[in-house]
Amino acid sequence: EVQLVESGGALVHPRGSLRLSCAASGFIFSDYNMNWVRQAPGKGLEWISYISYSGTTIYYAHSVKGRFTISRDNAKNSLYLQMDSLRNDDTAVYYCARELPSSHGWTIDYWGQGSLVIVSS
Amino acid sequence: DIQMTQSPSSLSASVGDRVTITCRASQNIKTYLNWYQQKPGKAPKLLIYTASNLQGGVPSRFSGSGSGTDFTLTIRSLQPEDFATYYCQQSYSMPRTFGQGTKVEIK
Repeated sequence: EVQLVESGGALVHPRGSLRLSCAASGFIFSDYNMNWVRQAPGKGLEWISYISYSGTTIYYAHSVKGRFTISRDNAKNSLYLQMDSLRNDDTAVYYCARELPSSHGWTIDYWGQGSLVIVSS
Repeated sequence: DIQMTQSPSSLSASVGDRVTITCRASQNIKTYLNWYQQKPGKAPKLLIYTASNLQGGVPSRFSGSGSGTDFTLTIRSLQPEDFATYYCQQSYSMPRTFGQGTKVEIK
């Protein structure tokens, strides 16, 4: 069974930093591209970052570029999101999400349960 | 960036109704369009991928159609467990973008 378990969410002050982790199991992690998607309270879904299966290709949403860093450790079956210079509008539930390959249209098929990040003074 | 626009933003329907949600892309995305269902406090769940392919385990009352810029999600006979928010998402190019969501409520 595919499982994605996020951790690391917390209350943090503006301009602070936080690192989210996502532990993957039930599939060959090193075969899959991964994403982070967030959802502010009462709002819609916002894709924020992608990393290829090997870690060599990375993309960011404009809203987080230069502040957030995605990474992965295939030996530990783990995905990470380093968040720096946090702002109030980064408050959201952050989801780790697996992406299927091009044969399935690069579709996100599995999501973690989410990790809540609150940025507030 | 590709903008995804869903309509309506919300709708009220009764059990047994046929429900249609539309999603329009700001440019041609071929069939790289996916549909998700989200219930309060839960992660999104994949329903339809590449416009018309039903994800395993999803009831056959859900169907998707379209290509290019215009897409549709249809729920053939709405069930109590279908009351939720539905999102479309394009996977044609980066950045990935979602529609704003359509909330399906009980009439």
